[in-house]
Amino acid sequence: EIVLTQSPGTLSLSPGERATLSCRASQSVTSSNLAWYQQKPGQAPRLLIYGASSRATGIPDRFSGSGSGTDFTLTISRLEPEDFAVYYCQQYGSSPRTFGQGTKVEIK
Amino acid sequence: EVQLVQSGAEVKKPGESLKISCKGSGYSFTSYWIGWVRQMPGKGLEWMGIIYPSDSDTRYSPSFQGQVTISADKSISTAYLQWSSLKASDTAMYYCARGSGYLGYWGQGTLVTVSS
Repeated sequence: EIVLTQSPGTLSLSPGERATLSCRASQSVTSSNLAWYQQKPGQAPRLLIYGASSRATGIPDRFSGSGSGTDFTLTISRLEPEDFAVYYCQQYGSSPRTFGQGTKVEIK
Repeated sequence: EVQLVQSGAEVKKPGESLKISCKGSGYSFTSYWIGWVRQMPGKGLEWMGIIYPSDSDTRYSPSFQGQVTISADKSISTAYLQWSSLKASDTAMYYCARGSGYLGYWGQGTLVTVSS
């Protein structure tokens, strides 16, 4: 089973700042089969990025994903008030699919 | 519009059985896998397993194999997650979502509370 480790656990930033979230896999993720999700309190997760770098439908271009192999990054270029949430990475290159433990982006 | 609508919150006692549902609409239900994801209170997401409604091919995470049963009734575009004997540790929010890889559409979640 691939273990995904996200860092940092919490990111304290101000609106307008850049957020960089990391997701490291315990072994190589096949074909960059990595996704990112955003979850706000009381809501279901929402798909942001799939295939490591492809934005899902309707996702603003301030969200971008990069990486391959074992190291992946989600970048939010300029934080908007609605971006403060918890973010999860997920690998789907092998079974079982697994999620990282999440990074909380909070208002500083 | 793709929608996954889950059944309502449940409160059960330890040892009881339960089956929750997820009804898909706005797309061909038999053409996409449906997955289930657990979120325990204040915790992260856990991938439980998936089912292909067309032929009921089912895959489980080893962590959930034998603990739950995933099924589907394609005639009514509905997937299910069931327990034969609930434990307090099954208390969580359960989400269904569309996809065998990334999960592009999610249900609203079903809160299951198991307490004596």
